[in-house]
Amino acid sequence: GENVEQHPSTLSVQEGDSAVIKCTYSDSASNYFPWYKQELGKRPQLIIDIRSNVGEKKDQRIAVTLNKTAKHFSLHITETQPEDSAVYFCAAGTTSGTYKYIFGTGTRLKVLA
Amino acid sequence: DAGVTQSPTHLIKTRGQQVTLRCSPKSGHDTVSWYQQALGQGPQFIFQYYEEEERQRGNFPDRFSGHQFPNYSSELNVNALLLGDSALYLCASSLPLGQGAFFGQGTRLTVV
Repeated sequence: GENVEQHPSTLSVQEGDSAVIKCTYSDSASNYFPWYKQELGKRPQLIIDIRSNVGEKKDQRIAVTLNKTAKHFSLHITETQPEDSAVYFCAAGTTSGTYKYIFGTGTRLKVLA
Repeated sequence: DAGVTQSPTHLIKTRGQQVTLRCSPKSGHDTVSWYQQALGQGPQFIFQYYEEEERQRGNFPDRFSGHQFPNYSSELNVNALLLGDSALYLCASSLPLGQGAFFGQGTRLTVV
């Protein structure tokens, strides 16, 4: 069935370093890949997304890359700050047909000051 | 511009009871999806409503049902509650193509 694998489950980095979170999806019909940040006790917040016709997208310190052939996509956070500490979820969805998102299991990012 | 709002924020129910959760989508959004998020897990898709109809359903039993009203707000109903139904229930609204879904703050349901 449809599945999104996300690694690592936990990630600790020093403030100022980069963090990379990787996801793999199984449904070849997926063409939309959002990333959400969820702080403790709060709602998931959309931080960046990418569509399958684009290989890379950047927004300030955050970038996402997509390899459709390998069904991999990754979140890159540069110059990490303590406020980046949260759980990050990747998701895969389609913009036609089902419209549902399949979420990864989450990565708990801890930025050490 | 109000975002996605859910009510109630917290709820405690007894096994076997029924519960109704409510969601008002973000202004301009007409599609509502419901997700269940167990502690330490990613959100799991329950179903999605568009034009007052269930458009897609995840792997959840028929005890989970929903409704969408003409003003695009939505309800999630769960019958015959089980302890395992304890979770954060998230509502997400979006435009019809589903991109950029915005989540509500969730309803924390505890079944005892």
